[in-house]
Amino acid sequence: AQSVTQLGSHVSVSEGALVLLRCNYSSSVPPYLFWYVQYPNQGLQLLLKYTTGATLVKGINGFEAEFKKSETSFHLTKPSAHMSDAAEYFCAVSDWGGSQGNLIFGKGTKLSVKP
Amino acid sequence: DTGVSQDPRHKITKRGQNVTFRCDPISEHNRLYWYRQTLGQGPEFLTYFQNEAQLEKSRLLSDRFSAERPKGSFSTLEIQRTEQGDSAMYLCASSLAQGAETEAFFGQGTRLTVV
Repeated sequence: AQSVTQLGSHVSVSEGALVLLRCNYSSSVPPYLFWYVQYPNQGLQLLLKYTTGATLVKGINGFEAEFKKSETSFHLTKPSAHMSDAAEYFCAVSDWGGSQGNLIFGKGTKLSVKP
Repeated sequence: DTGVSQDPRHKITKRGQNVTFRCDPISEHNRLYWYRQTLGQGPEFLTYFQNEAQLEKSRLLSDRFSAERPKGSFSTLEIQRTEQGDSAMYLCASSLAQGAETEAFFGQGTRLTVV
């Protein structure tokens, strides 16, 4: 069965600093991986996704993630944090083995950005 | 089309009452998903439809939960005899049926409070 673990429920960075949000997955089949962002009292917005092909994936708002099969990781990074990046971030894997197309989410990492 | 729409955005109900939520997906999307998100957790998959067929419902939380999508367009999620533990954000998402790599678009959710 597929699963996702996000390391660190809360990450705090200074404005302009590197953002690194960690995600490890478990999957018995080649995974499809996603990062979503959620602002308070809002739904989820897709930042980026990995399906096949290039392992470095670029998304919206300057975010990118690298799929590393050997490490079963899909960490999210951004070179320079902005105040507007403060939100909760969710890593997800597509549940191939179960209901095709539904997502299995991690518990989320709340990102705070200090001025 | 402006995206996935959910109604109401907020619902306060007394314990034991029935509630129904509505989701209008993106018009060309034939898959529709329901998720529940409790405080501090990632979204948890409940059920999904492809057109009007409910293809997975084993993860609905109890027999008090039911969902319909009668004409393959909008969907409703009903909770009967609500309990305080049902308090959560209920999220709807839609996608095209292109396998597990398909991006799901989320609505803003319905926040349920059971008092």
